[in-house]
Amino acid sequence: DIQMTQSPSSLSASVGDRVTINCRASQSISHYLNWYQQKPGKVPKLLIFAASSLQSGVPSRFSGSGSGTDFTLTINSLQPEDFATYYCQQNHNTPYTFGQGTRLEIK
Amino acid sequence: QVQLQESGPGLVKPSETLSLTCTVSGGSISSYYLSWFRQPPGKGLEWIGYISYTGTTDYSPSLRSRVTMSVDTSKNQFSLRLTSVTAADTAVYYCARQLSGYFYFDYWGRGTLVTVSS
Repeated sequence: DIQMTQSPSSLSASVGDRVTINCRASQSISHYLNWYQQKPGKVPKLLIFAASSLQSGVPSRFSGSGSGTDFTLTINSLQPEDFATYYCQQNHNTPYTFGQGTRLEIK
Repeated sequence: QVQLQESGPGLVKPSETLSLTCTVSGGSISSYYLSWFRQPPGKGLEWIGYISYTGTTDYSPSLRSRVTMSVDTSKNQFSLRLTSVTAADTAVYYCARQLSGYFYFDYWGRGTLVTVSS
């Protein structure tokens, strides 16, 4: 199985801040990396697919980068609705696997 | 508008079989690869497996011995069966679609909590 490791596990930030969340795969997954946002009691929401493509309807303050084993999700100018848990997920090989999540909290 | 909806019992007894259905509305399921996921309370997401619209399956090795997925194209429905459940199978179960040739899950069901308890 491909292991996905996110850092940090939790993060405190303020409205207007720029934050980055990292995701590392245990082997190369090319660009087959997706980012999801999940709020408490809600469904995961696709933000970024193929490492850097913005899903339709997602604000442009979200961006993704990386390839191979190292990936980054960046959120520019944090908004109140962005405080949530973020997961990276690889679709390179089955079993598809997720990172453990990064909880983004209000400072 | 594509919608996915999970349905099934919210309570299952230990050693029994968990059965869920995912009904798709808003379009044909041709080209669908329908995955099932689960999320134990307060924990992360786990992929259980997928079934294609043609019936091709791929299951997570950790659950393969207990999982069966099926599809009923006439009803736009996908089904999940998980046998010999224990308390460790208590989770919110989600279905989500991946279209053939695409490598992400763009539409998810709302999820259904299944509790394993006597």
